[in-house]
Amino acid sequence: GAVVSQHPSRVICKSGTSVKIECRSLDFQATTMFWYRQFPKKSLMLMATSNEGSKATYEQGVEKDKFLINHASLTLSTLTVTSAHPEDSSFYICSAAEPRGSYEQYFGPGTRLTVT
Amino acid sequence: RKEVEQDPGPFNVPEGATVAFNCTYSNSASQSFFWYRQDCRKEPKLLMSVYSSGNEDGRFTAQLNRASQYISLLIRDSKLSDSATYLCVVNPEGSYQLTFGKGTKLSVIP
Repeated sequence: GAVVSQHPSRVICKSGTSVKIECRSLDFQATTMFWYRQFPKKSLMLMATSNEGSKATYEQGVEKDKFLINHASLTLSTLTVTSAHPEDSSFYICSAAEPRGSYEQYFGPGTRLTVT
Repeated sequence: RKEVEQDPGPFNVPEGATVAFNCTYSNSASQSFFWYRQDCRKEPKLLMSVYSSGNEDGRFTAQLNRASQYISLLIRDSKLSDSATYLCVVNPEGSYQLTFGKGTKLSVIP
């Protein structure tokens, strides 16, 4: 299957700082990537859809100025959590759809963010 | 009504047992259906797609009933390594957006 990487896998930052998470499709081009967040014992919640070369589409309740998404190339999307707060501590996962029409998505290994 | 509903479990079963998970979805326009597996503190991994005719992959069998908007996953001869959370996932026609159920936790006990 397709491979998606994420970096970093784990990050601890202080309240008020910004954190950038990278998502890369390693062996295919992804025109669309997705960013999810998962709190402990909860389901994955879609935060935004990242489209290459255009603005991201955010889900209701997700602040676009707080969660900045950039999808500058067909293999890279970044999520920046700005002015992080402890309640932003979560597991952030990206996914990319392999463009074969099957709509299967492949997930990155996730980034565990802890804001102190 | 939630878009994708699953019994959260946990299901605690002995090795070798057969276990079945059920899932219902509310959007009748859903066209693609999947079961993903998620291990603790890891990302979801695609287990299998679900087709109208039903499909089988080794010990795993998935069924889809469009009329009832119901999806199932059957695991035969459970292994310890099957312990995980199983996520029912659907998406509407022509869309890459996935809607996840909350998952059903399975623990296979020696």
